[in-house]
Amino acid sequence: KNEVEQSPQNLTAQEGEFITINCSYSVGISALHWLQQHPGGGIVSLFMLSSGKKKHGRLIATINIQEKHSSLHITASHPRDSAVYICAVSGFGNEKLTFGTGTRLTIIP
Amino acid sequence: NAGVMQNPRHLVRRRGQEARLRCSPMKGHSHVYWYRQLPEEGLKFMVYLQKENIIDESGMPKERFSAEFPKEGPSILRIQQVVRGDSAAYFCASSLGTSGRNTDTQYFGPGTRLTVL
Repeated sequence: KNEVEQSPQNLTAQEGEFITINCSYSVGISALHWLQQHPGGGIVSLFMLSSGKKKHGRLIATINIQEKHSSLHITASHPRDSAVYICAVSGFGNEKLTFGTGTRLTIIP
Repeated sequence: NAGVMQNPRHLVRRRGQEARLRCSPMKGHSHVYWYRQLPEEGLKFMVYLQKENIIDESGMPKERFSAEFPKEGPSILRIQQVVRGDSAAYFCASSLGTSGRNTDTQYFGPGTRLTVL
């Protein structure tokens, strides 16, 4: 079993829909990271969080430490949101990231 | 403030040759990480370095691979005697390494796509 599990693996939605991507992890963590990998391959860090909730524009990330679960939400989705979204965790005393396998999101106009 | 820079962006090597991948962290960042993404697979940790020190190389193959982050200049990931299975995208990330904090946001470079013929 992978230390970081994401669901769904693939998600196709219509423009404007509310999107939720889930991430579960099985180890103790110091922080959870959400990353976006563009079709061209570049990786952008969206959020780093260790508790509660963070919001940036149309993106919202939440984490429940007790349940070892995080969600990434996108409101009013747009075709430019189409990308692979990756959940990653960093442990205590070592900042290296352990990654989920990613969720491929496609937003149809 | 330039982001993380990697070069070359694309590298083609024949089996048995050496590949050298370079990473210049963001200004002021003292921590560098190398990750590998094999075709159709997820990202995997390879090595974590601070200036002149390897902190964690648990994800790096024991043979043919080495990494350094000298006092001056970029971090280098070196692959000797490349094989077809080394074909992948290699990403470098850097972080500030703020004293007293357990973790910092990592900023990723654009990656080097290595193709071994």
